[in-house]
Amino acid sequence: QQQVKQSPQSLIVQKGGIPIINCAYENTAFDYFPWYQQFPGKGPALLIAIRPDVSEKKEGRFTISFNKSAKQFSLHIMDSQPGDSATYFCAASAALPGTSYGKLTFGQGTILTVHP
Amino acid sequence: KAGVTQTPRYLIKTRGQQVTLSCSPISGHRSVSWYQQTPGQGLQFLFEYFSETQRNKGNFPGRFSGRQFSNSRSEMNVSTLELGDSALYLCASSEHGQGYNEKLFFGSGTQLSVL
Repeated sequence: QQQVKQSPQSLIVQKGGIPIINCAYENTAFDYFPWYQQFPGKGPALLIAIRPDVSEKKEGRFTISFNKSAKQFSLHIMDSQPGDSATYFCAASAALPGTSYGKLTFGQGTILTVHP
Repeated sequence: KAGVTQTPRYLIKTRGQQVTLSCSPISGHRSVSWYQQTPGQGLQFLFEYFSETQRNKGNFPGRFSGRQFSNSRSEMNVSTLELGDSALYLCASSEHGQGYNEKLFFGSGTQLSVL
């Protein structure tokens, strides 16, 4: 059962563009939503994370928008650079005992390519 | 601090064999989680260990097992390997693990190929 759906699968933008990656979840017990960035040959690295008590969080050029009623959240990358080319994963977990407790459920990933 | 270290980086095995992968967490981190990454299924949770105890387990068959030592280093074992076990196996460490929703630090993984 896929509990976090991510789209698009791949995305190509020009340098300076604003790629947007979307995720939707089903489990209302989720209360922590991180985004991870993965370069080839490396493990995922945390970019930014949000909890459902806020609707937006910004860290540098990365912004998460969160819509609790729609059960959706998205990642925006401002002024994208070729060095941002990587695979991006959204994820979710729950802090209370249940099926999603204590583990990250990942989306399928988005391969982002930023052309110079 | 040194990051999460996984060994070996690459491994080639044949069907039916068993394999052991190793993970050294960041110093001071007591929680170690294992994830399997494949192109088809993405990243899937295997299990989590904290203070030498398995606290959480994903939906994988019993052929997948793990353990954690008193120094927080962890190993995972896959017995009777199948072709479908070919994947990148990632280890992640954190200070407290489940219930804290804290940052996970991933290693670079062990790429396992089963022939």
